[in-house]
Amino acid sequence: AQSVTQLGSHVSVSEGALVLLRCNYSSSVPPYLFWYVQYPNQGLQLLLKYTTGATLVKGINGFEAEFKKSETSFHLTKPSAHMSDAAEYFCAVRVSGGYNKLIFGAGTRLAVHP
Amino acid sequence: KAGVTQTPRYLIKTRGQQVTLSCSPISGHRSVSWYQQTPGQGLQFLFEYFSETQRNKGNFPGRFSGRQFSNSRSEMNVSTLELGDSALYLCASSQGAENTEAFFGQGTRLTVV
Repeated sequence: AQSVTQLGSHVSVSEGALVLLRCNYSSSVPPYLFWYVQYPNQGLQLLLKYTTGATLVKGINGFEAEFKKSETSFHLTKPSAHMSDAAEYFCAVRVSGGYNKLIFGAGTRLAVHP
Repeated sequence: KAGVTQTPRYLIKTRGQQVTLSCSPISGHRSVSWYQQTPGQGLQFLFEYFSETQRNKGNFPGRFSGRQFSNSRSEMNVSTLELGDSALYLCASSQGAENTEAFFGQGTRLTVV
């Protein structure tokens, strides 16, 4: 069965510091992987996706993620945090053969301090 | 291009009642999925509809049901509401293929009292 593990339910960084949010997945077949961001009382906004091809994926708002098959990881990074990045971030895997069913990680709440 | 629209945004219901939530997908999208988000269980898949047919279902009781209309709009219904059904219900729209992304609506916050 496919699953997603996000290491660290809370991450705190200073403004301008590197953001690293960790995601590991379990899948018996090549996965489709996604990162979403959720602001308070809002829905989910897609940051980036990996389907096939280039393993370094660039998304919106300066975020990027690298698919590492050998490590079954899809960590999200941003070189310099901004106050507006404070939100909850979710990693998700699409179930192969499950059409549009997404399996989500538990989420990581990112706090950015001045 | 309009995004995914969910109505209503907020809803308060009493235990035992039923509720219907609505979702209008992005124009041209034929797939609509529903998710329940709670602090304890996180984001959980309810079901997916594609071209008016349910093609995937999560592990929820039969009190949770849905349907999709010919214009791709979808509704989900929860009957005999329980306190534990209080949650943010999110609808996601996509073109339907597995390698396409899902776009989410703002959600409907359901509170059962």
